[in-house]
Amino acid sequence: TQLLEQSPQFLSIQEGENLTVYCNSSSVFSSLQWYRQEPGEGPVLLVTVVTGGEVKKLKRLTFQFGDARKDSSLHITAAQPGDTGLYLCAEGGSNYKLTFGKGTLLTVNP
Amino acid sequence: DVKVTQSSRYLVKRTGEKVFLECVQDMDHENMFWYRQDPGLGLRLIYFSYDVKMKEKGDIPEGYSVSREKKERFSLILESASTNQTSMYLCASSFNDFLQDEQFFGPGTRLTVL
Repeated sequence: TQLLEQSPQFLSIQEGENLTVYCNSSSVFSSLQWYRQEPGEGPVLLVTVVTGGEVKKLKRLTFQFGDARKDSSLHITAAQPGDTGLYLCAEGGSNYKLTFGKGTLLTVNP
Repeated sequence: DVKVTQSSRYLVKRTGEKVFLECVQDMDHENMFWYRQDPGLGLRLIYFSYDVKMKEKGDIPEGYSVSREKKERFSLILESASTNQTSMYLCASSFNDFLQDEQFFGPGTRLTVL
């Protein structure tokens, strides 16, 4: 089972600041998914990246997949309190299972 | 709007009780999953099922069993609840398709075992 490391584990910032969180592995990802889990809810998919070097944008969120497909980052521009939540990366494997990282818990203070 | 529902948001049980957690999805998904989520440990897969009456152990199946009698319903059973099973339990479902392997999650059941 591939281990995914996410950093930082916790992040507390003020509204309007920019931030980047990371997901790394020692092995090559087949594909990588990013989920956001808001307090009291289940995770919801934000994006899937498949191709090395790929960049995807979702409003103020920018997702990058490393050229070697062993790392990924999520950058948020001008964070808002509604961005507060647990950000999880996940890699697909056999039998449609996903392996999740432990997540980055982001708090955006007004 | 796609939906995964779980029978309870909060549940309090006593040690030794038999506990049933129910999950229903309305998306006609083949795959269904049960995870538990604990601070510092992330999401850990307990069991999953890729078809009716089929089940596979995940990473932490000890102390749990599952049942899938209908495609839309996947039940997690704690035969004799223990305090170390206090946790958030999340159910998820997905298609049997590598190009569409997004998992859709329910809102979770926070179980406390006293």
